[in-house]
Amino acid sequence: DSGVTQTPKHLITATGQRVTLRCSPRSGDLSVYWYQQSLDQGLQFLIQYYNGEERAKGNILERFSAQQFPDLHSELNLSSLELGDSALYFCASSVGGRAGDEQYFGPGTRLTVT
Amino acid sequence: DQQVKQNSPSLSVQEGRISILNCDYTNSMFDYFLWYKKYPAEGPTFLISISSIKDKNEDGRFTVFLNKSAKHLSLHIVPSQPGDSAVYFCAASAVGGSEKLVFGKGTKLTVNP
Repeated sequence: DSGVTQTPKHLITATGQRVTLRCSPRSGDLSVYWYQQSLDQGLQFLIQYYNGEERAKGNILERFSAQQFPDLHSELNLSSLELGDSALYFCASSVGGRAGDEQYFGPGTRLTVT
Repeated sequence: DQQVKQNSPSLSVQEGRISILNCDYTNSMFDYFLWYKKYPAEGPTFLISISSIKDKNEDGRFTVFLNKSAKHLSLHIVPSQPGDSAVYFCAASAVGGSEKLVFGKGTKLTVNP
Protein backbone atom coordinates (compact mmCIF):
# COMPACT_ATOMS: atom_id res chain seq x y z
CA ASP A 1 0.00 0.00 0.00
CA SER A 2 1.59 3.24 -1.21
CA GLY A 3 -0.52 5.45 1.05
CA VAL A 4 -2.00 7.23 -1.96
CA THR A 5 -5.73 6.74 -2.42
CA GLN A 6 -7.74 7.29 -5.56
CA THR A 7 -11.49 7.24 -6.00
CA PRO A 8 -13.38 5.86 -7.73
CA LYS A 9 -11.61 2.68 -8.84
CA HIS A 10 -13.75 2.32 -11.94
CA LEU A 11 -15.88 4.79 -13.82
CA ILE A 12 -18.07 4.14 -16.84
CA THR A 13 -19.66 7.11 -18.55
CA ALA A 14 -20.90 8.28 -21.91
CA THR A 15 -19.33 10.58 -24.48
CA GLY A 16 -19.90 14.23 -23.80
CA GLN A 17 -20.14 13.76 -20.04
CA ARG A 18 -17.97 15.21 -17.28
CA VAL A 19 -16.28 13.27 -14.47
CA THR A 20 -14.13 14.07 -11.46
CA LEU A 21 -11.33 11.84 -10.24
CA ARG A 22 -10.08 12.28 -6.70
CA CYS A 23 -6.67 11.69 -5.15
CA SER A 24 -5.46 11.83 -1.57
CA PRO A 25 -1.66 11.95 -1.31
CA ARG A 26 0.49 10.28 1.33
CA SER A 27 0.55 12.10 4.63
CA GLY A 28 3.21 14.81 4.46
CA ASP A 29 3.59 14.80 0.67
CA LEU A 30 3.17 18.23 -0.90
CA SER A 31 3.31 17.29 -4.59
CA VAL A 32 0.57 15.58 -6.54
CA TYR A 33 1.05 14.35 -10.09
CA TRP A 34 -1.56 13.10 -12.54
CA TYR A 35 -0.77 10.60 -15.29
CA GLN A 36 -2.79 8.97 -18.06
CA GLN A 37 -2.06 5.47 -19.30
CA SER A 38 -3.90 4.52 -22.47
CA LEU A 39 -3.88 1.03 -23.96
CA ASP A 40 -0.33 -0.08 -24.82
CA GLN A 41 1.05 3.31 -23.89
CA GLY A 42 3.42 4.42 -21.22
CA LEU A 43 2.38 6.82 -18.55
CA GLN A 44 1.77 10.28 -19.94
CA PHE A 45 2.34 13.10 -17.50
CA LEU A 46 -0.62 15.45 -17.30
CA ILE A 47 -0.03 17.96 -14.52
CA GLN A 48 1.71 18.53 -11.19
CA TYR A 49 0.64 20.54 -8.18
CA TYR A 50 2.91 21.49 -5.32
CA ASN A 51 1.40 22.77 -2.09
CA GLY A 52 -1.71 24.04 -3.85
CA GLU A 53 0.01 25.68 -6.81
CA GLU A 54 0.37 24.36 -10.34
CA ARG A 55 4.06 23.39 -10.76
CA ALA A 56 4.30 21.73 -14.15
CA LYS A 57 2.08 20.95 -17.06
CA GLY A 58 2.38 18.11 -19.54
CA ASN A 59 0.17 16.86 -22.34
CA ILE A 60 -3.06 17.86 -20.66
CA LEU A 61 -5.97 18.63 -22.94
CA GLU A 62 -7.90 21.87 -22.54
CA ARG A 63 -10.98 19.77 -21.70
CA PHE A 64 -9.13 18.55 -18.61
CA SER A 65 -8.40 20.57 -15.51
CA ALA A 66 -7.10 19.88 -12.05
CA GLN A 67 -6.69 21.52 -8.70
CA GLN A 68 -5.11 20.85 -5.34
CA PHE A 69 -7.02 21.87 -2.26
CA PRO A 70 -5.72 23.28 1.06
CA ASP A 71 -5.83 19.80 2.61
CA LEU A 72 -3.57 18.73 -0.33
CA HIS A 73 -6.00 16.34 -1.92
CA SER A 74 -6.39 16.81 -5.66
CA GLU A 75 -9.12 16.43 -8.23
CA LEU A 76 -8.81 15.88 -11.96
CA ASN A 77 -11.83 17.05 -13.95
CA LEU A 78 -12.42 15.61 -17.40
CA SER A 79 -15.16 17.17 -19.51
CA SER A 80 -16.73 16.69 -22.94
CA LEU A 81 -15.46 13.14 -22.76
CA GLU A 82 -14.49 11.31 -25.92
CA LEU A 83 -13.97 7.60 -26.56
CA GLY A 84 -10.21 8.23 -26.70
CA ASP A 85 -10.22 9.44 -23.10
CA SER A 86 -10.77 5.87 -21.94
CA ALA A 87 -7.64 5.07 -19.94
CA LEU A 88 -6.14 4.41 -16.54
CA TYR A 89 -5.56 7.62 -14.64
CA PHE A 90 -2.90 7.51 -11.94
CA CYS A 91 -2.20 9.96 -9.22
CA ALA A 92 1.19 10.05 -7.53
CA SER A 93 2.61 12.07 -4.67
CA SER A 94 6.05 13.02 -3.40
CA VAL A 95 7.45 15.04 -0.56
CA GLY A 96 9.19 17.68 -2.63
CA GLY A 97 8.63 19.35 -5.95
CA ARG A 98 11.21 17.50 -8.03
CA ALA A 99 9.68 15.01 -10.46
CA GLY A 100 12.79 12.87 -10.03
CA ASP A 101 12.07 12.35 -6.35
CA GLU A 102 10.49 9.02 -5.55
CA GLN A 103 6.85 9.24 -6.50
CA TYR A 104 4.28 7.08 -4.73
CA PHE A 105 1.48 6.01 -7.03
CA GLY A 106 -2.12 5.26 -6.22
CA PRO A 107 -3.86 2.20 -7.67
CA GLY A 108 -5.43 4.24 -10.46
CA THR A 109 -8.92 5.01 -11.70
CA ARG A 110 -10.03 3.12 -14.79
CA LEU A 111 -12.22 5.35 -16.94
CA THR A 112 -14.32 3.83 -19.69
CA VAL A 113 -16.12 6.18 -22.06
CA THR A 114 -18.87 4.52 -24.12
CA ASP B 1 7.56 11.44 -30.85
CA GLN B 2 8.72 8.94 -28.26
CA GLN B 3 11.62 10.35 -26.31
CA VAL B 4 11.98 7.24 -24.16
CA LYS B 5 11.79 3.89 -25.88
CA GLN B 6 11.59 0.40 -24.50
CA ASN B 7 11.75 -1.66 -27.64
CA SER B 8 11.03 -5.04 -26.06
CA PRO B 9 7.39 -5.29 -25.01
CA SER B 10 8.09 -8.54 -23.18
CA LEU B 11 10.92 -10.65 -21.79
CA SER B 12 10.89 -14.15 -20.35
CA VAL B 13 13.72 -15.57 -18.20
CA GLN B 14 14.31 -18.53 -15.93
CA GLU B 15 14.43 -18.15 -12.19
CA GLY B 16 17.99 -17.60 -11.00
CA ARG B 17 19.18 -16.18 -14.32
CA ILE B 18 19.89 -12.56 -15.18
CA SER B 19 17.14 -10.30 -16.55
CA ILE B 20 18.28 -7.38 -18.68
CA LEU B 21 15.76 -4.70 -19.55
CA ASN B 22 16.77 -2.03 -22.01
CA CYS B 23 15.78 1.58 -22.54
CA ASP B 24 16.86 4.16 -25.13
CA TYR B 25 16.28 7.89 -25.07
CA THR B 26 16.57 10.59 -27.68
CA ASN B 27 16.50 13.83 -25.69
CA SER B 28 20.07 14.83 -24.80
CA MET B 29 18.71 17.10 -22.05
CA PHE B 30 17.71 14.08 -19.97
CA ASP B 31 20.14 13.67 -17.10
CA TYR B 32 18.22 11.67 -14.52
CA PHE B 33 16.74 8.25 -15.08
CA LEU B 34 14.46 6.01 -13.07
CA TRP B 35 12.95 2.56 -13.22
CA TYR B 36 9.49 1.83 -11.90
CA LYS B 37 7.91 -1.60 -11.49
CA LYS B 38 4.20 -2.25 -11.86
CA TYR B 39 2.13 -5.24 -10.79
CA PRO B 40 -1.37 -5.76 -12.22
CA ALA B 41 -4.11 -3.69 -10.56
CA GLU B 42 -1.54 -1.62 -8.69
CA GLY B 43 0.21 1.67 -9.35
CA PRO B 44 3.89 1.73 -10.31
CA THR B 45 6.48 1.59 -7.54
CA PHE B 46 9.91 3.18 -7.64
CA LEU B 47 12.78 0.75 -8.08
CA ILE B 48 16.07 2.52 -8.72
CA SER B 49 17.45 5.71 -10.23
CA ILE B 50 20.67 7.02 -11.73
CA SER B 51 22.08 10.46 -12.42
CA SER B 52 24.05 11.18 -15.57
CA ILE B 53 27.16 11.85 -13.50
CA LYS B 54 27.32 8.12 -12.81
CA ASP B 55 27.38 5.16 -15.14
CA LYS B 56 26.21 2.56 -12.66
CA ASN B 57 23.99 2.35 -9.61
CA GLU B 58 23.35 -0.75 -7.57
CA ASP B 59 20.69 -1.68 -5.05
CA GLY B 60 20.69 -5.28 -3.97
CA ARG B 61 19.76 -7.49 -6.90
CA PHE B 62 19.06 -4.47 -9.11
CA THR B 63 21.72 -2.57 -11.07
CA VAL B 64 21.16 0.19 -13.57
CA PHE B 65 23.80 1.00 -16.16
CA LEU B 66 23.89 4.25 -18.12
CA ASN B 67 25.73 4.76 -21.41
CA LYS B 68 25.38 8.47 -22.13
CA SER B 69 27.12 8.41 -25.48
CA ALA B 70 24.71 5.76 -26.73
CA LYS B 71 21.74 7.32 -24.92
CA HIS B 72 21.02 3.90 -23.49
CA LEU B 73 20.34 2.50 -20.08
CA SER B 74 19.68 -0.99 -18.85
CA LEU B 75 18.34 -2.60 -15.72
CA HIS B 76 19.93 -5.85 -14.59
CA ILE B 77 18.19 -8.13 -12.12
CA VAL B 78 20.40 -10.86 -10.68
CA PRO B 79 19.27 -13.42 -9.73
CA SER B 80 15.75 -13.14 -11.14
CA GLN B 81 12.92 -14.38 -8.95
CA PRO B 82 9.29 -15.20 -9.85
CA GLY B 83 8.17 -12.23 -7.72
CA ASP B 84 10.02 -9.96 -10.15
CA SER B 85 7.41 -10.72 -12.79
CA ALA B 86 5.89 -7.33 -13.53
CA VAL B 87 5.91 -4.51 -16.07
CA TYR B 88 9.03 -2.35 -15.83
CA PHE B 89 8.91 1.28 -16.92
CA CYS B 90 11.94 3.37 -17.72
CA ALA B 91 11.55 7.11 -17.09
CA ALA B 92 13.72 10.15 -17.74
CA SER B 93 13.89 13.69 -16.49
CA ALA B 94 15.94 16.79 -17.22
CA VAL B 95 17.63 19.40 -15.02
CA GLY B 96 18.80 16.87 -12.48
CA GLY B 97 15.37 15.37 -12.05
CA SER B 98 13.54 18.66 -11.62
CA GLU B 99 11.58 18.36 -14.84
CA LYS B 100 8.57 16.17 -15.57
CA LEU B 101 9.09 12.44 -15.99
CA VAL B 102 8.86 11.00 -19.48
CA PHE B 103 8.03 7.31 -19.40
CA GLY B 104 8.62 4.50 -21.86
CA LYS B 105 5.83 2.08 -22.76
CA GLY B 106 7.15 -0.63 -20.46
CA THR B 107 8.54 -4.14 -20.72
CA LYS B 108 6.62 -7.06 -19.26
CA LEU B 109 9.05 -9.38 -17.48
CA THR B 110 8.05 -12.96 -16.76
CA VAL B 111 10.33 -15.02 -14.53
CA ASN B 112 9.58 -18.71 -14.85
CA PRO B 113 10.15 -21.02 -11.87
